[in-house]
Amino acid sequence: GQNIDQPTEMTATEGAIVQINCTYQTSGFNGLFWYQQHAGEAPTFLSYNVLDGLEEKGRFSSFLSRSKGYSYLLLKELQMKDSASYLCAVENQGGKLIFGQGTELSVKP
Amino acid sequence: DVKVTQSSRYLVKRTGEKVFLECVQDMDHENMFWYRQDPGLGLRLIYFSYDVKMKEKGDIPEGYSVSREKKERFSLILESASTNQTSMYLCASSDRGDSDIQYFGAGTRLSVL
Repeated sequence: GQNIDQPTEMTATEGAIVQINCTYQTSGFNGLFWYQQHAGEAPTFLSYNVLDGLEEKGRFSSFLSRSKGYSYLLLKELQMKDSASYLCAVENQGGKLIFGQGTELSVKP
Repeated sequence: DVKVTQSSRYLVKRTGEKVFLECVQDMDHENMFWYRQDPGLGLRLIYFSYDVKMKEKGDIPEGYSVSREKKERFSLILESASTNQTSMYLCASSDRGDSDIQYFGAGTRLSVL
């Protein structure tokens, strides 16, 4: 079967660092995506990992360990506007994405 | 900027009606996708297309069909809407050579009464 797990909800404080974990078991693996989705809006692309290791992009970083079936998204210097749902997705054969159910992040002052 | 446009943000239909959800992208992308998004279930792939006139079933195609007569347009069709098809529908497109990054439309929230 195919399974992608991430926490349903997380809460963090403005200015802090938060790590959102994602574990996966899929029949194929071509890469892992993270998307951000604000309420009522389209998901927007954040990061893409193919190889093991850390990819840094400004305040956001994403890590992948293929052998462990594990990824995380790291958000630094949290801002109120970072309150959103964060979606982990594995790219299967043929460019198809399998999504986790998303992590709702609330950033509090 | 890539733009994926879905024709309606909100739709209300009655059980048994035929429903068309339209999606247009302006970046000449080969690949287009239709998902539905439900609380606690995430995004689930309904149908996708890698080229004009071509379509492939996703994970939950039952009760849906699609049409791709032109490269920029991908339509999702509910032949006879049912209440369990009440959901948020998201369209996405991707370029074959661009790390398969999918760009999403803002979504259509469909209510079937």
